[in-house]
Amino acid sequence: GIQVEQSPPDLILQEGANSTLRCNFSDSVNNLQWFHQNPWGQLINLFYIPSGTKQNGRLSATTVATERYSLLYISSSQTTDSGVYFCGTLPNFGNEKLTFGTGTRLTIIP
Amino acid sequence: ETGVTQSPTHLIKTRGQQVTLRCSSQSGHNTVSWYQQALGQGPQFIFQYYREEENGRGNFPPRFSGLQFPNYSSELNVNALELDDSALYLCASSLGGARGYTFGSGTRLTVV
Repeated sequence: GIQVEQSPPDLILQEGANSTLRCNFSDSVNNLQWFHQNPWGQLINLFYIPSGTKQNGRLSATTVATERYSLLYISSSQTTDSGVYFCGTLPNFGNEKLTFGTGTRLTIIP
Repeated sequence: ETGVTQSPTHLIKTRGQQVTLRCSSQSGHNTVSWYQQALGQGPQFIFQYYREEENGRGNFPPRFSGLQFPNYSSELNVNALELDDSALYLCASSLGGARGYTFGSGTRLTVV
């Protein structure tokens, strides 16, 4: 099945800094989503982005499907951005099983 | 529109017991998927239901079973609980996976 790798595994930044999280995937995808897992465990959907670029406030994401990677940018980080970020992918072929990377744990220090 | 709701939020069970977790899908979504997330790991796919039929299954033993009801809500049943079943169980609904998944807040199961 499709393999998904996220980097870095851990990131510690000062409040106000910018960050870039990466998601590499091993096969062509029909869907790619970025999620933020809050302290209570809920996966909050940030972006549905199988290709192209999207922006939502301080967050933006770019997926280059032909090169099989996606990037999540967080600008002017706030402490509330802390948590684990996951990318989930759905391959073009096969059952509709969303496959996740192992996540990036982001810690924003005041 | 209502989101995905799961119940209960927390549960403690004894090894060998059986458990049922419940999920109500987002309004208009006809597909429900279940995921298990162990501590420090990404969510792992258990199975998916579409129109009340199982539509794909991950690498989980048969003691993990499920149902989907005509209103698209779903249950996850786990028999003969083992200590390693302790995890966060997440439900996601979709209208075809290519259109994106919406997740619930999860049920945290502890097996003692």
